[in-house]
Amino acid sequence: DAKTTQPPSMDCAEGRAANLPCNHSTISGNEYVYWYRQIHSQGPQYIIHGLKNNETNEMASLIITEDRKSSTLILPHATLRDTAVYYCIVSPSGGTNAGKSTFGDGTTLTVKP
Amino acid sequence: NAGVTQTPKFRVLKTGQSMTLLCAQDMNHEYMYWYRQDPGMGLRLIHYSVGEGTTAKGEVPDGYNVSRLKKQNFLLGLESAAPSQTSVYFCASRAGAGNEQFFGPGTRLTVL
Repeated sequence: DAKTTQPPSMDCAEGRAANLPCNHSTISGNEYVYWYRQIHSQGPQYIIHGLKNNETNEMASLIITEDRKSSTLILPHATLRDTAVYYCIVSPSGGTNAGKSTFGDGTTLTVKP
Repeated sequence: NAGVTQTPKFRVLKTGQSMTLLCAQDMNHEYMYWYRQDPGMGLRLIHYSVGEGTTAKGEVPDGYNVSRLKKQNFLLGLESAAPSQTSVYFCASRAGAGNEQFFGPGTRLTVL
């Protein structure tokens, strides 16, 4: 399984864009990149995912490099409620490990007034 | 839809006791997962299932057993609880390998 590397913590000013990086240099061709976040001790919440192309939804944008070895989650206008731990994971869509997912320690994003 | 539910929400065990955690989903999802999260750490995969009647080991399977007799339920068992198993346990489900996971609220387990 591909592993991911994220910075342990980041700060962002309220109203500014938050750009969270993730390195997944050993990603395989059938592995999706997923982003989740966890607020306090709640269960993680899905944000966005992608395979090759950049993706955007109502919460965020996902930029995946052409070689797929890294990605960036963009929260366009961060609010105080976006303070959370953000997890980048890769998960195979096929093969013997289809569906297996491994979380790292994530990035703690603190949005400051 | 209730989504993913977990029973119980809290539990305190003594070393050596056994218990079963229940995860239920009403979304007809094929895949189900059990994770544990220790204080200040990320989630670690214990076991998962890609369909009714199937189970597979994750990163930290030792000391745990699972069963998926019905599609909507995924049970996590601790046969002989140890203090090292004190943790928050999260269950999740997803429709398929290319879909997002939906998480339950967690079970907070303390083993004395």
